[in-house]
Amino acid sequence: SAVISQKPSRDICQRGTSLTIQCQVDSQVTMMFWYRQQPGQSLTLIATANQGSEATYESGFVIDKFPISRPNLTFSTLTVSNMSPEDSSIYLCSVWDREAFFGQGTRLTVV
Amino acid sequence: QKEVEQNSGPLSVPEGAIASLNCTYSDRGSQSFFWYRQYSGKSPELIMSIYSNGDKEDGRFTAQLNKASQYVSLLIRDSQPSDSATYLCAVNQAGTALIFGKGTTLSVSS
Repeated sequence: SAVISQKPSRDICQRGTSLTIQCQVDSQVTMMFWYRQQPGQSLTLIATANQGSEATYESGFVIDKFPISRPNLTFSTLTVSNMSPEDSSIYLCSVWDREAFFGQGTRLTVV
Repeated sequence: QKEVEQNSGPLSVPEGAIASLNCTYSDRGSQSFFWYRQYSGKSPELIMSIYSNGDKEDGRFTAQLNKASQYVSLLIRDSQPSDSATYLCAVNQAGTALIFGKGTTLSVSS
């Protein structure tokens, strides 16, 4: 099983600023994903982080707002840009290695 | 649009009873089916995975899959207060991201 270290675990940010979330995996994985979980809601896929190429974004999510990096097979970052209170959510990274594994999540509050 | 549907609940059962959680999915190409449990403020944790029609049992948990009806369920026998959580149904095709339902909140009263 894959072990994922995600940080920060939580942050409170001012509107208009950006936050970068990091996800480190203890083994090389091909598939990495970023999800958002808004209060009281289920997980919504933001994008698939592809190693060596641009991320693939789901409908409703754009690269300018959620730029993603995937420099190698064990690491990825998600940036939440120009934040507004509506971006307050839990952000989760996930990897697929015969099943899905999740990081601990980043609880973001925008004030 | 690929969708996974669950009753949001809350589903309330007394301690020791059987809890039955249901899920339907829209994508007939789905190949893998999962049940995750999520406690408040925590990340989802995998409870069961099932890939072929029929039943799969693991301790107090039984997953049931019917691909013809596009239906997957989770039975929890001898429910305990510690089972109180939100249960997320998720499906995917090989090599793709999981698509999650909205989750069913289970409350087990002692």
